[in-house]
Parts: sequence; structure tokens; C-alpha cells
Amino acid sequence: DGGITQSPKYLFRKEGQNVTLSCEQNLNHDAMYWYRQDPGQGLRLIYYSQIVNDFQKGDIAEGYSVSREKKESFPLTVTSAQKNPTAFYLCASSEGLAGAYEQYFGPGTRLTVT
Amino acid sequence: GQNIDQPTEMTATEGAIVQINCTYQTSGFNGLFWYQQHAGEAPTFLSYNVLDGLEEKGRFSSFLSRSKGYSYLLLKELQMKDSASYLCAVLDSNYQLIWGAGTKLIIKP
Repeated sequence: DGGITQSPKYLFRKEGQNVTLSCEQNLNHDAMYWYRQDPGQGLRLIYYSQIVNDFQKGDIAEGYSVSREKKESFPLTVTSAQKNPTAFYLCASSEGLAGAYEQYFGPGTRLTVT
Repeated sequence: GQNIDQPTEMTATEGAIVQINCTYQTSGFNGLFWYQQHAGEAPTFLSYNVLDGLEEKGRFSSFLSRSKGYSYLLLKELQMKDSASYLCAVLDSNYQLIWGAGTKLIIKP
């Protein structure tokens, strides 16, 4: 079955540590996205990528970094510079970027930093 | 600025009909999406509207009025499994998705 996987589902870290969230898709989609979801707020775009080795900052990129070395993979690193990292992180993919493409979401990673 | 408004929470009875509204003000418009998200899970696609009018898909229908910046999602014959959050998202002129905060729908027996 095609889809998007994110691991782990729950992640706990100490303040000051960097942490990397994985996202893998086997849908052969070109575009991939990282969102952050906080209670009472809409999804906020962190980074997105249209093709391999290219990615763009979203609305809240500060304190985050990404890479896109393979079409299937788009890992997100939450650095110690992110002031409020505790959140639910969602990865998504779509066939393309500049069009009315449905986004497919992974199951999410809930990150707790103490 | 860009803004999407949805009610925070709604309650309905099993077997009834509920309408979830969404109003938007965005920089351009290239369509509106509705997604369903069960608690702690991934959003899943429900519908896409780009032209005015009603799109029906089984128990769910979605309506769009571009002149009014307004859409609604209509759920009929409500089932307990419909308890979820419903997210409205607009594709702006740059094909960026602008998301509403979502409407939490509670179904009571």
C-alpha cells in the first residue's frame, strides 16, 4: 500500500537537544511538506520541497532545518533554537506544488520537549 | 492578511444533519479543500471546490460561493464515527494552502 510514514509517533527530548523527525513516502510524489499543529490553531507550514535537493521556508521555519536528498524522504530537524518545540508535527506530500493537488498526510509525530 | 474562520466547536445528534461553515479572506483563490481529522491522527481529504455550487459525495456535500468568500460542509445521517475535527483550507494565488483552525464536531447519541 502506498502512503506516508512518520516515526516515531511519540518523541521526548530534553531542552537544548536537536531532534530529527523522519518522513518517508512511496507515492512517487514530487512535493513534500512539514506542518506544525498546535491546539486551537490551523496547520502552519514549516518547510516544503518541490524536488530533490531543493526546499523552501514556510511561515515558521525559524529553529527548524530539512533536507531532501531522496525523492522519498524529507526529514525535519528541530534544533535547540526553536523556542517552543512541543507540538504535533505532520508531514505531507502531493503530486505537485503549483496546482490544486490533494495533500496526503502521515500519521504525525508528537514531540514533547522538557 | 489572510484569514480563514470556522466555528471552534459544534455538537450534533446521531442521525441528524450538520452544516460547518468556513469564511475566508485570502490573496487570490485557487480552490478550497475540506479535510477530516480524528483526534491524534492525520487529516484526510474530503472535498475540493473551485467553482461555485454544491458538490455531493455520499453523506458529505461541500458548497462554495466565491463572491461571498464562503463555503460549508454538510454532513447528513450523522454517525458516531463522524466525531472529528473538520479543517477548511484555501489555495491562494501562489498555490499555498492557508488553513483554518478547524471545527471540532461532537456527535451525541
